[in-house]
Amino acid sequence: GAVVSQHPSWVICKSGTSVKIECRSLDFQATTMFWYRQFPKQSLMLMATSNEGSKATYEQGVEKDKFLINHASLTLSTLTVTSAHPEDSSFYICSARGQGNTGELFFGEGSRLTVL
Amino acid sequence: AQSVTQPDIHITVSEGASLELRCNYSYGATPYLFWYVQSPGQGLQLLLKYFSGDTLVQGIKGFEAEFKRSQSSFNLRKPSVHWSDAAEYFCAVAPNQAGTALIFGKGTTLSVSS
Repeated sequence: GAVVSQHPSWVICKSGTSVKIECRSLDFQATTMFWYRQFPKQSLMLMATSNEGSKATYEQGVEKDKFLINHASLTLSTLTVTSAHPEDSSFYICSARGQGNTGELFFGEGSRLTVL
Repeated sequence: AQSVTQPDIHITVSEGASLELRCNYSYGATPYLFWYVQSPGQGLQLLLKYFSGDTLVQGIKGFEAEFKRSQSSFNLRKPSVHWSDAAEYFCAVAPNQAGTALIFGKGTTLSVSS
């Protein structure tokens, strides 16, 4: 099946710094990628929809200036957490829609961010 | 608005026993339905999906799910649980069109006792 890779898997940073998380579709082109956030023992909450070559669409309540999303190519979307604070610590998961109108999403392995 | 409900937060079953995880959805039409499994600290793995056709869907690892339109349900089942099945299970729904994100239920934690 299709493979989506995230990097880094784990990242620890100091409060006030920015962190970039990459999401790559390894064997297919993804015009649309989705970024989810998951708090411990909770479900995945959609943060934003990333479309190649255009601005991301953010869900209500998600600060677009804090969570910068760039989808510069058909195989790469990045999420940058700017001026990170401890409350931004979370598990961030990206997903990409496979080719064809099947509706199935393929998920990355997730990136765990800890802000000290 | 679409929503997914997983009524059971935590279920414990004995190894070798049967399993059923419940999922109900709210959507005007028949959506795409999915079950994913997540091990601690890991991403999500697709167990099975329903788009149309046969309402009993077979997935990986011996799982199956049955779509019941009249009950707006898509319950996940396995006849004999293995200790390695202990994980978090998420039911998800997407509208019957491309380009949209999945909406997830809150998940059910499965524990397997020996």
